[in-house]
Amino acid sequence: DSGVTQTPKHLITATGQRVTLRCSPRSGDLSVYWYQQSLDQGLQFLIQYYNGEERAKGNILERFSAQQFPDLHSELNLSSLELGDSALYFCASSVGGGDGYTFGSGTRLTVV
Amino acid sequence: AQSVTQPDIHITVSEGASLELRCNYSYGATPYLFWYVQSPGQGLQLLLKYFSGDTLVQGIKGFEAEFKRSQSSFNLRKPSVHWSDAAEYFCAVGAKGGDMRFGAGTRLTVKP
Repeated sequence: DSGVTQTPKHLITATGQRVTLRCSPRSGDLSVYWYQQSLDQGLQFLIQYYNGEERAKGNILERFSAQQFPDLHSELNLSSLELGDSALYFCASSVGGGDGYTFGSGTRLTVV
Repeated sequence: AQSVTQPDIHITVSEGASLELRCNYSYGATPYLFWYVQSPGQGLQLLLKYFSGDTLVQGIKGFEAEFKRSQSSFNLRKPSVHWSDAAEYFCAVGAKGGDMRFGAGTRLTVKP
């Protein structure tokens, strides 16, 4: 157990639908990062939050959004889903000092 | 912009043989460099990291990496590979407190 909890582990949904992925960071970590991992794109950085504030944005689509709540857990919302959104979505957390990230075990999203 | 190149998509080595996985980075400032390992269906686990100081860093599971600024490289090595080392290995570059960018990964197969 890495200390970063992601739910659900698996998600199957239809095109056009909306889903929410949840992440609880490791205790004491203020930064949360979201990554998408697919076979053709590899690990793509989506977005970072630090203590509730958006810190950095990567290749995140406009159909995707995220937020970090006061208790530091984070949610990634994916809407108008397309087949190409099928991927593993990872959440990672860090203290913020550059010690590297701790990754969760991911949510596997399948869009059918 | 920061980027990471892992030239080898797939490497096969015999058990007990030595291993070197290549990583080249592009970064405007002093980089924070990392190696992660991902087993099938799992999240990413941090193997080692480099911020400053001794350019040869030791990590977990008997891995080490050497930072060479002149070559913009951070290659991962292990003197004797075990069958359990078969996995996907990712090199990453980032900034203190900031997001991290990953290479495309190198898949390691270990022959008995």
